Amino acid sequence: SQQGEEDPQALSIQEGENATMNCSYKTSINNLQWYRQNSGRGLVHLILIRSNEREKHSGRLRVTLDTSKKSSSLLITASRAADTASYFCATDEGTGGFKTIFGAGTRLFVKA
Amino acid sequence: NAGVTQTPKFQVLKTGQSMTLQCAQDMNHNSMYWYRQDPGMGLRLIYYSASEGTTDKGEVPNGYNVSRLNKREFSLRLESAAPSQTSVYFCASSDWTSVSVGTGELFFGEGSRLTVL
Repeated sequence: SQQGEEDPQALSIQEGENATMNCSYKTSINNLQWYRQNSGRGLVHLILIRSNEREKHSGRLRVTLDTSKKSSSLLITASRAADTASYFCATDEGTGGFKTIFGAGTRLFVKA
Repeated sequence: NAGVTQTPKFQVLKTGQSMTLQCAQDMNHNSMYWYRQDPGMGLRLIYYSASEGTTDKGEVPNGYNVSRLNKREFSLRLESAAPSQTSVYFCASSDWTSVSVGTGELFFGEGSRLTVL
């Protein structure tokens, strides 16, 4: 079974709106990562948050982590059509990064 | 920079045939990974190698073997392909060496699309 479960499975918004995706996981972790995948391409790393961090920002991205609820959220502000992609969370299941397990992903569609 | 290179990009096999997917990275990373991606399933970890000379099973290792040939190369072998192994396979590498050493970022290849008839 997969470690991370994203919610929603799919999201459709207008350009300029904010997009929020959630991830829940099952075991303790050292870190949680978010990745993006454009159709037919490999995954690209967006941001990593460690278990002792609660919030992290990178450009238009904001990630939060609540280890007590075993959940994380990814917020993309002022979405653009180019943000259309699938977004995945990934955790290390407490292995320190060697065994990185992905969730099923959220498919984001941003309408121009 | 080439990053992570996978070959072949596309392959069609008949049930029972064998093949090896090749992966090479030029970033001097210690850790390497093989994932498969099926529609709607996200990525599932097949095998990983934390360092040269070591390999470990991931979530779905059955039907696969791996070889960490050297620090740069990590190959995935299907000994007797089955239709259930039709998937897109991704190789990745990371600079992880321990919990506190390394950024943890995985760098992915562009994928190998395998169809087993």
